[in-house]
Amino acid sequence: AQTVTQSQPEMSVQEAETVTLSCTYDTSESDYYLFWYKQPPSRQMILVIRQEAYKQQNATENRFSVNFQKAAKSFSLKISDSQLGDAAMYFCAYRSADGATNKLIFGTGTLLAVQP
Amino acid sequence: DAGVIQSPRHEVTEMGQEVTLRCKPISGHNSLFWYRQTMMRGLELLIYFNNNVPIDDSGMPEDRFSAKMPNASFSTLKIQPSEPRDSAVYFCASSFRRTTNEKLFFGSGTQLSVL
Repeated sequence: AQTVTQSQPEMSVQEAETVTLSCTYDTSESDYYLFWYKQPPSRQMILVIRQEAYKQQNATENRFSVNFQKAAKSFSLKISDSQLGDAAMYFCAYRSADGATNKLIFGTGTLLAVQP
Repeated sequence: DAGVIQSPRHEVTEMGQEVTLRCKPISGHNSLFWYRQTMMRGLELLIYFNNNVPIDDSGMPEDRFSAKMPNASFSTLKIQPSEPRDSAVYFCASSFRRTTNEKLFFGSGTQLSVL
């Protein structure tokens, strides 16, 4: 069974600085998708970025980028030029691409604080 | 579309009582998921349905939990009897399963407190 691990329960960053959130996963599959979701205090789940495992190029979305290391089964999220609105819980998630299942498996989350 | 609609937004109940959480997925979506969020365990998948049929209920903690999807526009998650350790935020999410390139849409969750 696939698992997702986020080893940093809490992180803190100064406004305008860069922070990296870690995520590792375990799977025997070769094709899959990885995601980062943001959950602000409103509880809304917001998709931040997504990576297809077959793509070697790291995904980027404005100030958000990932470092995808397939061999190491690592998928970290880098937030550049941190803003106060980035303060939230961040979840890493995995989904198989084999078509047999479409469920998302989440990690335990990292609570990010942004200091002014 | 109004998105995934969950009710109630907050529920406070006493131990032993029956609790029913409700979810209306986005119209046209054919997959529905129930997740539970706690600080210790993050987001755990409880059960999911494809075309109203339960596919994987291995995450349902015990027999006190049950979920139904009588039609494509409605699902319930029931806890009977409820216990304090069931206190958590319960999310419903839906998607349109056509390819693996599907996006998951979440409701705003139900905050359950069992006293």
